[in-house]
Amino acid sequence: DSGVTQTPKHLITATGQRVTLRCSPRSGDLSVYWYQQSLDQGLQFLIQYYNGEERAKGNILERFSAQQFPDLHSELNLSSLELGDSALYFCASSVEEQGPGYNEQFFGPGTRLTVL
Amino acid sequence: KNQVEQSPQSLIILEGKNCTLQCNYTVSPFSNLRWYKQDTGRGPVSLTIMTFSENTKSNGRYTATLDADTKQSSLHITASQLSDSASYICVVTPNTGFQKLVFGTGTRLLVSP
Repeated sequence: DSGVTQTPKHLITATGQRVTLRCSPRSGDLSVYWYQQSLDQGLQFLIQYYNGEERAKGNILERFSAQQFPDLHSELNLSSLELGDSALYFCASSVEEQGPGYNEQFFGPGTRLTVL
Repeated sequence: KNQVEQSPQSLIILEGKNCTLQCNYTVSPFSNLRWYKQDTGRGPVSLTIMTFSENTKSNGRYTATLDADTKQSSLHITASQLSDSASYICVVTPNTGFQKLVFGTGTRLLVSP
């Protein structure tokens, strides 16, 4: 158990809909990262937040957005969903501010999103 | 273009045997290279991390090596166990700061009894 929690575990929705994925980082971690992993594809970095502020952006679509709240939990919002958005979405957390390459990240169990 | 390629794509070995997974990268310069283990449907777990100046790093039965000159890394698993069945992902961090992690697509290992 990494200490990072994600809800829901599974999510099934229809095209055009909007969903929200939630992540709670490990106690004491200020940075939260979101990743997308499509079937048989590698992890794609989406976005990073540090202590409530956006710190880095990766290959995140304009239909997607995220935020980190004062209690440090984060939400990833996916709108106008398409079939191709079906994937595993992982959240990771780390202690430090620096980008995702400079300190160990601890991954949550993921949310499996299925768009029908 | 920064790339990380892993081979083989998949591998089946008998329990108790050793195996070596390969990672070739074109990222340069780079800050560090990590190997992750990802069980099916679960989040990746870090196995090793090496900076460009390190040649080898061990974590129990897992030993990673790095040759920065040839831009190659390998992950050697000794005395494999059924629980080693997972995907192993090589991740390279360019020395350019944020959000530039480059992920390999992984090697899927199946350890058979």
